[in-house]
Amino acid sequence: DAKTTQPNSMESNEEEPVHLPCNHSTISGTDYIHWYRQLPSQGPEYVIHGLTSNVNNRMASLAIAEDRKSSTLILHRATLRDAAVYYCILRASGGATNKLIFGTGTLLAVQP
Amino acid sequence: GAGVSQSPSNKVTEKGKDVELRCDPISGHTALYWYRQSLGQGLEFLIYFQGNSAPDKSGLPSDRFSAERTGGSVSTLTIQRTQQEDSAVYLCASSLAPNLADTQYFGPGTRLTVL
Repeated sequence: DAKTTQPNSMESNEEEPVHLPCNHSTISGTDYIHWYRQLPSQGPEYVIHGLTSNVNNRMASLAIAEDRKSSTLILHRATLRDAAVYYCILRASGGATNKLIFGTGTLLAVQP
Repeated sequence: GAGVSQSPSNKVTEKGKDVELRCDPISGHTALYWYRQSLGQGLEFLIYFQGNSAPDKSGLPSDRFSAERTGGSVSTLTIQRTQQEDSAVYLCASSLAPNLADTQYFGPGTRLTVL
């Protein structure tokens, strides 16, 4: 499975935009890029996913590099509730299962 | 609507005892996953059920771990002869249509402590 690399931690101020980077230089052409986040003492929750084009939803935006070797999760206005561990995950084709392979993620701290 | 539920929320047991953890997936979801999260290992996949297909057990750490899914809905994860290293949060997730673009919905987890 292709690996992802994320910074261990990031800080943001409330109501400011946050850009969370992810490198996936060994991504294959059919791998999907997913982002999940885990708030303290909760199970992970889906944030967004994409394949080639940039994506927007009510939670965030996903910007995917043209060569697909990196992506950035964008939170447009961070709130205190966005403090969580953010996981960038590649969903690879060719396997018999659709399990999520979690890395260490980025711990986002949001300051008031 | 109702999300994924898990019970119990907390379980404390003694080393060597067997435990059963329960997962109720979202109604209509055909895929069900078990993961566990421990301090030393992060979030790791354990087992995956999809419809009537044979489960993917590739993540189970030892033969003390087993799981079943009855009637394509509720699932039970059983750990026999628990060890202290089994202490972790056990998370269940379900998805509607298992493919590379599907969304997995996670339950709140069961925190298992083995004394």
